Amino acid sequence: QQQVKQSPQSLIVQKGGISIINCAYENTAFDYFPWYQQFPGKGPALLIAIRPDVSEKKEGRFTISFNKSAKQFSLHIMDSQPGDSATYFCAASITWGAQKLVFGQGTRLTINP
Amino acid sequence: DTAVSQTPKYLVTQMGNDKSIKCEQNLGHDTMYWYKQDSKKFLKIMFSYNNKELIINETVPNRFSPKSPDKAHLNLHINSLELGDSAVYFCASSQAFFSSGNTIYFGEGSWLTVV
Repeated sequence: QQQVKQSPQSLIVQKGGISIINCAYENTAFDYFPWYQQFPGKGPALLIAIRPDVSEKKEGRFTISFNKSAKQFSLHIMDSQPGDSATYFCAASITWGAQKLVFGQGTRLTINP
Repeated sequence: DTAVSQTPKYLVTQMGNDKSIKCEQNLGHDTMYWYKQDSKKFLKIMFSYNNKELIINETVPNRFSPKSPDKAHLNLHINSLELGDSAVYFCASSQAFFSSGNTIYFGEGSWLTVV
């Protein structure tokens, strides 16, 4: 059972544009929502994370928007750059106890120069 | 220095063989993990160890046997390899088990191809 659904599967954005990736979750016990960035041949690396007690978190050009009632969260990349081209994964976990990250299916983002 | 290192990075082997992947972390973390990334890039947890104790075992075939000789190392041994085992296996670690969303750090992956 896929507990975190991510869309779109792939995304092409022009340099300077806004990239938006969406995720939806089912388990209301999830209380930690990170986004991971993965470059080809590398492991995933934490980009930004949010807890459900806030609706938005911003770090530089990256913003997470969180809608608890809709059980949805999204990643916005402002002023997208070619160096942002990577695969992005949303994830969710319950922070108390066994920290088991449940990942979305991933979005391959390509930023055209 | 690499925080989470795993070897080998690439492994090509025949069906039926037994192989091991080794992982070491120098972050001083208590918890280590194995994740599997399939051909569609889907990431799924396989195992988690906390201070050498198995905490998570996600319905993985018992041909897969993790072993943690100490809290800085978590190895993965796979018996009787099958074609479907071809994937990228990621080792990872995090600071504490009972935590508040501690960051999970991933290694660069071990690309296993079974032919």
